[in-house]
Amino acid sequence: DQQVKQNSPSLSVQEGRISILNCDYTNSMFDYFLWYKKYPAEGPTFLISISSIKDKNEDGRFTVFLNKSAKHLSLHIVPSQPGDSAVYFCAASATGNQFYFGTGTSLTVIP
Amino acid sequence: DAGVIQSPRHEVTEMGQEVTLRCKPISGHNSLFWYRQTMMRGLELLIYFNNNVPIDDSGMPEDRFSAKMPNASFSTLKIQPSEPRDSAVYFCASSWRTASNQPQHFGDGTRLSIL
Repeated sequence: DQQVKQNSPSLSVQEGRISILNCDYTNSMFDYFLWYKKYPAEGPTFLISISSIKDKNEDGRFTVFLNKSAKHLSLHIVPSQPGDSAVYFCAASATGNQFYFGTGTSLTVIP
Repeated sequence: DAGVIQSPRHEVTEMGQEVTLRCKPISGHNSLFWYRQTMMRGLELLIYFNNNVPIDDSGMPEDRFSAKMPNASFSTLKIQPSEPRDSAVYFCASSWRTASNQPQHFGDGTRLSIL
């Protein structure tokens, strides 16, 4: 069973607009969440994280929101840039060590 | 600083052959993870090590898969015999396990094709 789900396999956004990527999880014990970005032929790279004691974490153009009651997190990218085009994975952990990943969302930012 | 190094980057072989994937973690990291990426299941954790000791191998699909970590700077994932359904991208990742949460750092993966 997928404990972390990304239900949108792809997303297209115009340059300058907001990109919103969504992620749902089922395990209420998860207490640490991350987003990774992956370009073709490269490994995923860490983007931003959030602990369950917070509901928002911001880093430049990237903001992650956590809704624990809904078991939902989202990544907002504002403004979106063509270089943001990549596959985005969300991941969650209950132990701080083993992570469970979603299937990824492919973001295309159209110039 | 060097990141996680995986070799080979690409491997094409015939079914039934033995395949060995290699990983060098980031120096100083004491946790190492092997993942497999497929379209259907995304990134699946196969096995992970802490301080060179296998902690959880429940993700290893079957006995054809084995992994070792003989020292802190090297790990292998072996498939014997290989089958076409093993075709995927295999990633190795490492992290420094402390009391606080730490993200994992990934290598660029090995794209495996079994004919």
